[in-house]
Amino acid sequence: DGGITQSPKYLFRKEGQNVTLSCEQNLNHDAMYWYRQDPGQGLRLIYYSQIVNDFQKGDIAEGYSVSREKKESFPLTVTSAQKNPTAFYLCASSIETGLGLAELTGELFFGEGSRLTVL
Amino acid sequence: AQTVTQSQPEMSVQEAETVTLSCTYDTSESDYYLFWYKQPPSRQMILVIRQEAYKQQNATENRFSVNFQKAAKSFSLKISDSQLGDAAMYFCAYRSSTSYDKVIFGPGTSLSVIP
Repeated sequence: DGGITQSPKYLFRKEGQNVTLSCEQNLNHDAMYWYRQDPGQGLRLIYYSQIVNDFQKGDIAEGYSVSREKKESFPLTVTSAQKNPTAFYLCASSIETGLGLAELTGELFFGEGSRLTVL
Repeated sequence: AQTVTQSQPEMSVQEAETVTLSCTYDTSESDYYLFWYKQPPSRQMILVIRQEAYKQQNATENRFSVNFQKAAKSFSLKISDSQLGDAAMYFCAYRSSTSYDKVIFGPGTSLSVIP
C-alpha cells in the first residue's frame, strides 16, 4: 500500500542533543513537507521541498534542518538550537508538478506523526 | 498573507444529529483550494472534503458537505447523521492554486460525539 511512514512515533531527547525524524513516502509525490503541531495552534510549516536537492524554509524553520537527497525521503533534524522542541511533528507529501490545474487536487497526504519530548 | 480562522475550539453533537463547523479565511487571490482535514485520536490526518474556489457548487462527500460562500470568505463543514467515529479534531485549510508551496491551516475544532 502506498503511503507515508514516519519514525520513530515517540522520541525523547535530552537538552542539547540533536535528533532526526524520518519521513519516507512511496506515493511518487514530488513535494514533501514538515509541520509542527502544538495544541490550539493548528499546523505550522517548518520546511518544504518541491524537488530533490532543493528545499525552502517555512514559517518556523529556526532550529531545524532538512535534506532531500532522494525523492522518497525527507528527514528532519531538530537541533539543539530549537528552544522549545517538544511537539508533535507531521510529515506530508503532495503531487505538484507536471499536471494541469484540473488534475491537481492540492491535497496533502500525511504520515502518522512523531511525538518529540525534551527531558 | 492568507489566514484561516476557526472560531469554535470545541463542539459537541449527539449521535445521529447534524453539526456545522465554521471556518473563515482571508485572501486576495481568486483561485484557491479549501479543505477540511480530520485528525482522529490515532493522529493520522486525512482529507474529509475539498472545494475549488472557481466552482460555485458546494462539495459533498456522503454525510459531509460544505457551505462555500466565496464573497464572505466562509467555508463551513456540515456533518449529517453524526457517528461516534466522527469524533476528532477538524482542521480547515487554504491552499493557493498558483503557489503550491504552502497550505495554511486553521487552529482546529475538537468535535465530540455523544452517544
